[in-house]
Amino acid sequence: ETGVTQSPTHLIKTRGQQVTLRCSSQSGHNTVSWYQQALGQGPQFIFQYYREEENGRGNFPPRFSGLQFPNYSSELNVNALELDDSALYLCASSTQGGGEQFFGPGTRLTVL
Amino acid sequence: EDQVTQSPEALRLQEGESSSLNCSYTVSGLRGLFWYRQDPGKGPEFLFTLYSAGEEKEKERLKATLTKKESFLHITAPKPEDSATYLCAVQTPWGAQKLVFGQGTRLTINP
Repeated sequence: ETGVTQSPTHLIKTRGQQVTLRCSSQSGHNTVSWYQQALGQGPQFIFQYYREEENGRGNFPPRFSGLQFPNYSSELNVNALELDDSALYLCASSTQGGGEQFFGPGTRLTVL
Repeated sequence: EDQVTQSPEALRLQEGESSSLNCSYTVSGLRGLFWYRQDPGKGPEFLFTLYSAGEEKEKERLKATLTKKESFLHITAPKPEDSATYLCAVQTPWGAQKLVFGQGTRLTINP
């Protein structure tokens, strides 16, 4: 059984640029959630995708957007990067209706 | 608004010295309470799910318990490899199945 994978591992961007992060869900899972974790804080919910549609969103501006593909993998896109977007971005997969979410290793984004 | 508060923020123990971590929550309804372990720079690793008050789960040196207002993660005779940040999260029955996390407890076990 393959776990949740994310790419890239690390990324450095400059303010104003755009970034795309990728996530492959665990085998058998159809729901993907994205979280942002600032240093020393708990993860904050960005949004969730189920059946290729957004299934809920946290308090993040529209420049944070996402996609889910037919194979349940997902992308997180962030436009017009700001310094405060520097964080660990986590992807978690689960089954719809189920409780446990299993996390990937994360992508460390640094915005200069 | 759903809120989760963990205490203490940091805890330093000697190897073999048992203790407990606290997670207090305020939610409109509880679908489940989750404990995760996170090593530096890595994603959270799932430990336990608790669904109702009075429930307990155990795994090696860890035991999680749940009441209507809080959860405890008890660590018995810890080893240095138990050093990590422990995260607590709640999930409500409504809307997206998002997890609302506390800020975590950073646990250090000295040999």
